[in-house]
Amino acid sequence: QKEVEQNSGPLSVPEGAIASLNCTYSDRGSQSFFWYRQYSGKSPELIMFIYSNGDKEDGRFTAQLNKASQYVSLLIRDSQPSDSATYLCAVTGTASKLTFGTGTRLQVTL
Amino acid sequence: DTAVSQTPKYLVTQMGNDKSIKCEQNLGHDTMYWYKQDSKKFLKIMFSYNNKELIINETVPNRFSPKSPDKAHLNLHINSLELGDSAVYFCASSQGRGWVEAFFGQGTRLTVV
Repeated sequence: QKEVEQNSGPLSVPEGAIASLNCTYSDRGSQSFFWYRQYSGKSPELIMFIYSNGDKEDGRFTAQLNKASQYVSLLIRDSQPSDSATYLCAVTGTASKLTFGTGTRLQVTL
Repeated sequence: DTAVSQTPKYLVTQMGNDKSIKCEQNLGHDTMYWYKQDSKKFLKIMFSYNNKELIINETVPNRFSPKSPDKAHLNLHINSLELGDSAVYFCASSQGRGWVEAFFGQGTRLTVV
């Protein structure tokens, strides 16, 4: 089992819709959870982080964490074509290293 | 002013050569990392240094050797390059060992021919 799992996609959503990106992790000791966005040919950039169970909102982005289910998600409201990118879920475990999932490619269509 | 900068951005070299990639951060962070991103976009940690001390050393061929002359710099030297080393290598930094919100450099695309 991979440490951090994501559906590779592509996930296609129409402009203005809500995009829902999901991630599961295997280490129950994981403490911090991050979502990075990576445009093609560019470096990953942090868009959200969450440490506690529940929801965390920042503009059009909402991160959701459920530690009991070992599940973290990212919702993007009012999706824009500029949101089209690969979204990487990352988790810190007991070794304090950042472990990434394989990423979900999001396509926002006009 | 670039926070985490890597050089070179592109590197094309022949099998068997030795090459280095340099990384510098001006964020005042204590911890720096090297990640490898393969053709399937999977980002995997290779090494991490905290204040010049090696703290993470993943299963990486010993042809790869990191060096941290000070906490603002982390270089990666690769000996006897192989075709499978072709990838994008990212340097990153974060504020401390327990604070792993990482800022990434622009990446070095290494192509071994």
